[in-house]
Amino acid sequence: DGGITQSPKYLFRKEGQNVTLSCEQNLNHDAMYWYRQDPGQGLRLIYYSQIVNDFQKGDIAEGYSVSREKKESFPLTVTSAQKNPTAFYLCASSTVTGGGQETQYFGPGTRLLVL
Amino acid sequence: GDSVTQMEGPVTLSEEAFLTINCTYTATGYPSLFWYVQYPGEGLQLLLKATKADDKGSNKGFEATYRKETTSFHLEKGSVQVSDSAVYFCALSDRANFGNEKLTFGTGTRLTIIP
Repeated sequence: DGGITQSPKYLFRKEGQNVTLSCEQNLNHDAMYWYRQDPGQGLRLIYYSQIVNDFQKGDIAEGYSVSREKKESFPLTVTSAQKNPTAFYLCASSTVTGGGQETQYFGPGTRLLVL
Repeated sequence: GDSVTQMEGPVTLSEEAFLTINCTYTATGYPSLFWYVQYPGEGLQLLLKATKADDKGSNKGFEATYRKETTSFHLEKGSVQVSDSAVYFCALSDRANFGNEKLTFGTGTRLTIIP
């Protein structure tokens, strides 16, 4: 079955530690996205990528970094510079047509908690 | 910039009641509009979408009509079920951003259906 997988389901970060969230898709989608979800604030875009080896900052990129070395994979690193990382992180993917009509498909999410 | 405003939740209804969740938007171009649903502990999944004015999206008994004159995309269902309990997100993708499939989300509306 095609879909998006995220791991781990829960992740704990210690003070000053960098952690990496995994996102893999087998939908053959060109575009991938990372969102952060906080209670009462909806989803906010962290980074997105429309092609391998290229990515752009979203609305809240500070304290995060990404890479896109393979079409199927778009890992997100939460760095120690992110002072409030506790949130639910969602990865998504879509095709790219330029028409803004494409559905984004979401993974099950990773909940990051700070120890 | 683009924005989506959703009806504040939570919303609690009895089974078989009529549902309306209001959504209005602001966009610089000609957006596509989406409703996504999130069940507890899961990622988001597309519920329905509409890509141009006067289009009606429908799925699983839910409907929403793209109203350009009122910049609205209200979600409706004639008879809700307990299984409809979830968080509902309205979102837009602005086609003025050519080649950019970014979604702008509302804050979400939590819906609880009581048997």
